Amino acid sequence: GDSVTQMEGPVTLSEEAFLTINCTYTATGYPSLFWYVQYPGEGLQLLLKATKADDKGSNKGFEATYRKETTSFHLEKGSVQVSDSAVYFCALSDRPASGGSYIPTFGRGTSLIVHP
Amino acid sequence: GAVVSQHPSRVICKSGTSVKIECRSLDFQATTMFWYRQFPKQSLMLMATSNEGSKATYEQGVEKDKFLINHASLTLSTLTVTSAHPEDSSFYICSARGPRNTEAFFGQGTRLTVV
Repeated sequence: GDSVTQMEGPVTLSEEAFLTINCTYTATGYPSLFWYVQYPGEGLQLLLKATKADDKGSNKGFEATYRKETTSFHLEKGSVQVSDSAVYFCALSDRPASGGSYIPTFGRGTSLIVHP
Repeated sequence: GAVVSQHPSRVICKSGTSVKIECRSLDFQATTMFWYRQFPKQSLMLMATSNEGSKATYEQGVEKDKFLINHASLTLSTLTVTSAHPEDSSFYICSARGPRNTEAFFGQGTRLTVV
């Protein structure tokens, strides 16, 4: 079945450092890929998405490129801020081979801690 | 993005009582809603998927008689934790998706504490 693998956290960085959070996936179809962010005590918010190969999703300085050849969707940001401290979830949404609804599949989440 | 409202955000209940959590899509018709439970160390566990007007589809290991899910309209789904016990204490999150969306939009989550 479909699966998403994220790098283990926590990732601890100083402010203005470069961020990469790795994400790879397995899917039977042609999934859409997403990054969600969860701030402490809150639900998940969609950060960015890409719906086909080579698409780049971007938002709030974060970017991720849909790489079909490496089945990856790594999240990057050039200069992180303290306010970026949160948990980041990589996810995919794929239609089952048997038809039916798209069901999101999530990675385990990566905690990011940014120090001043 | 689309707005999903989940209520309450926090609830404390006594062991043996039932608790209802509501999930509403405010500006779109949610043909499919998902209920998740989030365990310590962040991982999300999909509990069930519900399509409007149909019975929910529960994931393996989730007790459907304990976690009652109703999706009676295109804007509202409810999760009722029946006869709650301390081990049911957790963070429950709903998400909703419209008919043309591949992404799901999330509610704010509900912190349930059973004492």
